[in-house]
Amino acid sequence: GAVVSQHPSWVICKSGTSVKIECRSLDFQATTMFWYRQFPKQSLMLMATSNEGSKATYEQGVEKDKFLINHASLTLSTLTVTSAHPEDSSFYICSASSALGRTFGNTIYFGEGSWLTVV
Amino acid sequence: DAKTTQPPSMDCAEGRAANLPCNHSTISGNEYVYWYRQIHSQGPQYIIHGLKNNETNEMASLIITEDRKSSTLILPHATLRDTAVYYCIVRVYGSGNTGKLIFGQGTTLQVKP
Repeated sequence: GAVVSQHPSWVICKSGTSVKIECRSLDFQATTMFWYRQFPKQSLMLMATSNEGSKATYEQGVEKDKFLINHASLTLSTLTVTSAHPEDSSFYICSASSALGRTFGNTIYFGEGSWLTVV
Repeated sequence: DAKTTQPPSMDCAEGRAANLPCNHSTISGNEYVYWYRQIHSQGPQYIIHGLKNNETNEMASLIITEDRKSSTLILPHATLRDTAVYYCIVRVYGSGNTGKLIFGQGTTLQVKP
């Protein structure tokens, strides 16, 4: 299947600093990428949907100014956690939609995830 | 909210078929059913998806009932490596969006020797 890669796989940052996580589609062009986070023993929670070249759409309850999403190209989306706090520590996962133009019934592939620990 | 319900856990003997059920009684006509699995501390792995016809690939088969209100994922010969959380998801399309995957709690499948 198609490959979606995240970087870094894990990161530790100090409270109050910002951290950026990258999501790349390696062998296909992704018009849409999705960002999730997952706390231990819980399911994935959708944070936002990003379309290439436009502003991200955030789910209810997700702070836009805290979780900055940029989707500048068809192969790269970034999530920046600003002014990180220990409660932001989580597993962040991106996914990418695999086809240009056709969205009904296309396949969505997930990255391997990024562990963020804020100390 | 997720539009699917799944049993929280299931066991399966190694080498036997694993049949994972999913209810999606409120599914709409253009909404696909997707199946993913997640092994601890990894991103979800795509398994299969379908609209109304049964589907089969190298990993699994997807059987969708005629009324589309439920489906079953079949792993034909389960191995220990198939132990994971399996998510059945109805992809939801709102106005102007490209369809989102909203995860429920999934089914934890334990394959036993």
